[in-house]
Amino acid sequence: IQLTQSPSSLSASVGDRVTITCRASQGIGSNLAWYQHKPGKAPNLLIYAASTLLSGVPSRFSGSGSGTDFTLTISSLQPEDFATYYCQQFHNFPLTFGGGTKVEIK
Amino acid sequence: ELQLLESGGGFVQPGGSLRLSCAASGFTFSSYAMSWVRQAPGKGLEWVSLLGSGGGDTYYADSVKGRFTISRDVSKTTLYLQINNLKDDDTAVYYCARGRGARYPESRTFDYWGQGTLVTVSS
Repeated sequence: IQLTQSPSSLSASVGDRVTITCRASQGIGSNLAWYQHKPGKAPNLLIYAASTLLSGVPSRFSGSGSGTDFTLTISSLQPEDFATYYCQQFHNFPLTFGGGTKVEIK
Repeated sequence: ELQLLESGGGFVQPGGSLRLSCAASGFTFSSYAMSWVRQAPGKGLEWVSLLGSGGGDTYYADSVKGRFTISRDVSKTTLYLQINNLKDDDTAVYYCARGRGARYPESRTFDYWGQGTLVTVSS
């Protein structure tokens, strides 16, 4: 199952609303997760089952979608949110990640 | 505190072998599925392999099937990845990651990750 993220990169300012999309090559139900990854650090799981926020993750992060189209939204971008974001499907093996979306400071 | 600490990376020639280790602590190791995920330089994340919580079920990415073997030693709370017949494309930081639980679907998403170990394949 291929996952296509868009955009591949974006520039935004603190306080902006940011939306990242992830499209699956076939239906995956709600079997999608989102991760945040900063250079030199371990990735962090943010959301699983398409819309369930992991405990401790700020509520400005939200996920939606099912089937083939999914969205990660950051309602008000904070300085610590500048990172690369990946979607991951766990519907079938092999597990796959999207190509990533790099969120940069404008 | 939960920790995952990878080791075993290094510089190796094409066709060579390495064994990566991931020392786990702070949780009941035998109760969780574990995976390896890699990131090649300048590229995104790529899932490599998963070991089920029972230690018997193994899954691999097509790109590594037949060359990589995932295993664990519960007594040492350590996860391993044996990498054989290394190719240039295997150059990457290799992360071990804990599945959120023992069973599907929790086992297939990753809530704790190590800091990674770098494998460089070059002649």
